[in-house]
Amino acid sequence: AQKVTQAQTEISVVEKEDVTLDCVYETRDTTYYLFWYKQPPSGELVFLIRRNSFDEQNEISGRYSWNFQKSTSSFNFTITASQVVDSAVYFCALRDGGFKTIFGAGTRLFVKA
Amino acid sequence: DAGVIQSPRHEVTEMGQEVTLRCKPISGHNSLFWYRQTMMRGLELLIYFNNNVPIDDSGMPEDRFSAKMPNASFSTLKIQPSEPRDSAVYFCASTTGGGQGTGELFFGEGSRLTVL
Repeated sequence: AQKVTQAQTEISVVEKEDVTLDCVYETRDTTYYLFWYKQPPSGELVFLIRRNSFDEQNEISGRYSWNFQKSTSSFNFTITASQVVDSAVYFCALRDGGFKTIFGAGTRLFVKA
Repeated sequence: DAGVIQSPRHEVTEMGQEVTLRCKPISGHNSLFWYRQTMMRGLELLIYFNNNVPIDDSGMPEDRFSAKMPNASFSTLKIQPSEPRDSAVYFCASTTGGGQGTGELFFGEGSRLTVL
């Protein structure tokens, strides 16, 4: 069965601090896809990144970076030099080789000025 | 291009009433998902369709919930009869998956349901 665990319920940081959001997944599929989504206070869900199970390259996009490690079944998300606008709930998601996509419980990030 | 369109955005109803939520996916997307979001349970996958066919409805909580996708551009989620515990934000999402399910989900703005 698929499972996504985001053990951090809430994180509070001060602006300009770096913060890492953890994501651990479980799946029996050899082909799968991992995602991160952002849900700002306005409520919409915004796609941030996708990774497939065959691509363990880390990725950096501006202040955001992602670390995918199959050996530990983790797909962690780091925000460098956090800003108040980064305050949101962040979800990690897992899609199996078919279509089913499940989400972790989310991590609420508070960035204080 | 228009995104995923959901209606109504807000619905307040009384216990026992029928509720119908509607979703128009992005044109060309062949997979459609219904999720429910609550503080207690987070984002739960209720059901998803591929090419208008329900693939997995194991997340539908009870027989009171039903979903249909009569064509590629329209889906409904119905709750009959509604109960206060059904109060939540219901999201519809669509994606292109082909045969490999590679695409990210595009979400609608959600329908906030309150059952009194």
